[in-house]
Amino acid sequence: AQKVTQAQTEISVVEKEDVTLDCVYETRDTTYYLFWYKQPPSGELVFLIRRNSFDEQNEISGRYSWNFQKSTSSFNFTITASQVVDSAVYFCALTTGGGADGLTFGKGTHLIIQP
Amino acid sequence: KAGVTQTPRYLIKTRGQQVTLSCSPISGHRSVSWYQQTPGQGLQFLFEYFSETQRNKGNFPGRFSGRQFSNSRSEMNVSTLELGDSALYLCASSLGGTWGTDTQYFGPGTRLTVL
Repeated sequence: AQKVTQAQTEISVVEKEDVTLDCVYETRDTTYYLFWYKQPPSGELVFLIRRNSFDEQNEISGRYSWNFQKSTSSFNFTITASQVVDSAVYFCALTTGGGADGLTFGKGTHLIIQP
Repeated sequence: KAGVTQTPRYLIKTRGQQVTLSCSPISGHRSVSWYQQTPGQGLQFLFEYFSETQRNKGNFPGRFSGRQFSNSRSEMNVSTLELGDSALYLCASSLGGTWGTDTQYFGPGTRLTVL
């Protein structure tokens, strides 16, 4: 069975600080896909990034960056110069090609950015 | 392009009743997946429909069922409601290719309260 662990239940930082959200995954499949979603108070899950198991390149998109390391089974997410609008619950998720378990989500990290 | 829509947004039912939730995918998307989100269990995969057929199923009792119509719209039904069914039910749509190669886009959810 596959599993995603987000050990940080809640993180609170002051605006403009950098913050890293941790994600550790477990799967026996060699082909898998990792995702990050953001859930603002409105409830809708907003897609942020997808990464497949064969692509370990880090990615940067504006203030967001992702670090994928197969050696440690981690897919961490960093927000640089955080803003109040970044406040939300962030979910890391995993799926394999067959989709038998759908998307397996971590429990989420509630990020609070204080002004 | 319009996003995923779900109706109704809020629903209050009593134990023993049944409920039907509706999801309209993004135009051109043929796969619809359903997830249950609760504070205790987090986000859990219910099932996926593709081309009017259930393609994948999570670990939920038979009281939870669904269907998909020829226009890709999907409905989810929960019979004999229990207090524990109170949750946010999220629907996601994708093009329907191999899981992981497509991104799942989520709707705003239906918040079901069972009294």
